[in-house]
Amino acid sequence: AQSVSQHNHHVILSEAASLELGCNYSYGGTVNLFWYVQYPGQHLQLLLKYFSGDPLVKGIKGFEAEFIKSKFSFNLRKPSVQWSDTAEYFCAVKTGGGNKLTFGTGTQLKVEL
Amino acid sequence: DTAVSQTPKYLVTQMGNDKSIKCEQNLGHDTMYWYKQDSKKFLKIMFSYNNKELIINETVPNRFSPKSPDKAHLNLHINSLELGDSAVYFCASEDRGGTDTQYFGPGTRLTVL
Repeated sequence: AQSVSQHNHHVILSEAASLELGCNYSYGGTVNLFWYVQYPGQHLQLLLKYFSGDPLVKGIKGFEAEFIKSKFSFNLRKPSVQWSDTAEYFCAVKTGGGNKLTFGTGTQLKVEL
Repeated sequence: DTAVSQTPKYLVTQMGNDKSIKCEQNLGHDTMYWYKQDSKKFLKIMFSYNNKELIINETVPNRFSPKSPDKAHLNLHINSLELGDSAVYFCASEDRGGTDTQYFGPGTRLTVL
């Protein structure tokens, strides 16, 4: 069964700092990869996804992620965070052809003014 | 228009009671899901229905019974509520074979006293 690891559980950054959140998965076959964001008290929203093609994918709100197949990684990045990016970030993986979405444990990001 | 809606948003009840949570999507998707998010924000899939048929049933106690009267609705009924059932329950829908992306509802925060 696939699993997803997010090593940073809590991240605190100042506004304008750069962000990189790690995500690693364990599955040897084809994967679909997702990053979701959950703002305080809200539902999960899709930030970006990777299915195939260019391993560098761009999402909403200036976020991007890079799929590195050899490292089984799909790290999320943003060059300059804002206070409004304070939220919980979830990496998720779906194995090729399946419909079960497996989530990582989430990373709580706090951006300070 | 809300794409995936859930009712109620908050549910506070006593142990041993039976309660239901409703989910509706107006996206025309054929697949719907229930997820449980525990106090540590970990998200785990519970059930999935495709065109009213159960396709995923994770190791969930049989006190939990999903029902899909049509492909736009997926309800969750919980019998004999226990303290450990306290969590946020999210419904999601997906256009399998189309975007293959899950869209989440606002969540129902269930508190069992």
